[in-house]
Amino acid sequence: EVQLLESGGGLVQPGGSLRLSCAASGFTFNNYAMHWVRQAPGKGLEWVSGISGSGNVKYYAAFVKGRSTISKDNSKNTLYLHMNSLSPEDTAVYYCAKDRQTLVTMGNWFDTWGQGTLVSVSS
Amino acid sequence: DIQMTQSPSSLSASVGDRVTITCRASQSISNYVNWYQQEPGRAPKLLIYAASSLQGGVSSRFSGSGSGTDFTLTISGLQPEDFATYYCQQSFSTPFTFGPGTKLDI
Repeated sequence: EVQLLESGGGLVQPGGSLRLSCAASGFTFNNYAMHWVRQAPGKGLEWVSGISGSGNVKYYAAFVKGRSTISKDNSKNTLYLHMNSLSPEDTAVYYCAKDRQTLVTMGNWFDTWGQGTLVSVSS
Repeated sequence: DIQMTQSPSSLSASVGDRVTITCRASQSISNYVNWYQQEPGRAPKLLIYAASSLQGGVSSRFSGSGSGTDFTLTISGLQPEDFATYYCQQSFSTPFTFGPGTKLDI
């Protein structure tokens, strides 16, 4: 069974940093691109970042570019998102999602999602 | 960035009804649209990919259609478990934007 389990969320002060993790199981991790999608309280879904199966190609939404880094440790079957300079607008549940293909390219879809981890940015 | 809009934003229906949700892209995106269902407090679930293909394990009550800029998700014979929020998402180019969602309730 394909499973994704996020961790690393919590309360952080504005300007602070956080690293989210997503432990994957049930599939060959290095064969699939992975993504982070977030959802602010009471709001819709927002794609944050994606990374190719190999981990070599990365994409970011404009609102996190330059202050976040997505990475993938294929030896540990784990996806990461390191976020810096956090603001209250970053408060959200962060989901990791498995892509249906190896590359972050057109025609993808997110076929498996984790349960999410809540990031709260507040003083 | 490609903008995705959905209508209606909310919809009231009854068990057994047939409902249609519309999604529109700000530019032509071929058939690169996916649909997700999200129940309250749960992670999203893939229903339809590539505009009209049913994800494995998803009820055949769900169907999708469209190409270019206009897409629809239709749910036939509504069941109690179908009352949720539905999102379209474009996979034509990054950033992979989602529509604002359509909340379906009783």
